Amino acid sequence: DGGITQSPKYLFRKEGQNVTLSCEQNLNHDAMYWYRQDPGQGLRLIYYSQIVNDFQKGDIAEGYSVSREKKESFPLTVTSAQKNPTAFYLCASRLAGGETQYFGPGTRLLVL
Amino acid sequence: GENVEQHPSTLSVQEGDSAVIKCTYSDSASNYFPWYKQELGKGPQLIIDIRSNVGEKKDQRIAVTLNKTAKHFSLHITETQPEDSAVYFCAANGQGGKLIFGQGTELSVKP
Repeated sequence: DGGITQSPKYLFRKEGQNVTLSCEQNLNHDAMYWYRQDPGQGLRLIYYSQIVNDFQKGDIAEGYSVSREKKESFPLTVTSAQKNPTAFYLCASRLAGGETQYFGPGTRLLVL
Repeated sequence: GENVEQHPSTLSVQEGDSAVIKCTYSDSASNYFPWYKQELGKGPQLIIDIRSNVGEKKDQRIAVTLNKTAKHFSLHITETQPEDSAVYFCAANGQGGKLIFGQGTELSVKP
């Protein structure tokens, strides 16, 4: 099956803890994106990467970090500096030369 | 800056009626406009998209219209069914391969 996978589906974070959300795609897409969605809200861009070993900050990058060491993987770390991390996190990918972004199933992060 | 406004934020219709969701974009360079459907607890799924070289596109009960002059585009769902109930997002392409999303419309179709 081709697609985008995100794990885990639910993640719990303790105060002061860093947590990493996984995003993997086997679509051979070049660009990958991370969005945050709060209840009743739209999608806000955290980070994006158009090629391996390169990424750019989105609109709300503070308190988050990413890496892009492999084409198929774009993990997001929510650091302890992010004071309000409770949200639904969505990963998306796009083929170079195309405009359509395809989304994964999401990870819901909750703070204990 | 790049911005997409979406209205209404909530929409309730009777089964079988039509539903219309409207969006306005700010960047005159935008030329790609997708619509996504998001069911509760899931990721958004692309349902239809339109490019600026056409004014209308239809796929069964779903249609999208684009007015480039006014920078408006709309989603039309006819003969609505309860399974159409979801949150719908419009978007416009921006610089650097980004999509700029509207705030979403929660559609409720009552049996």
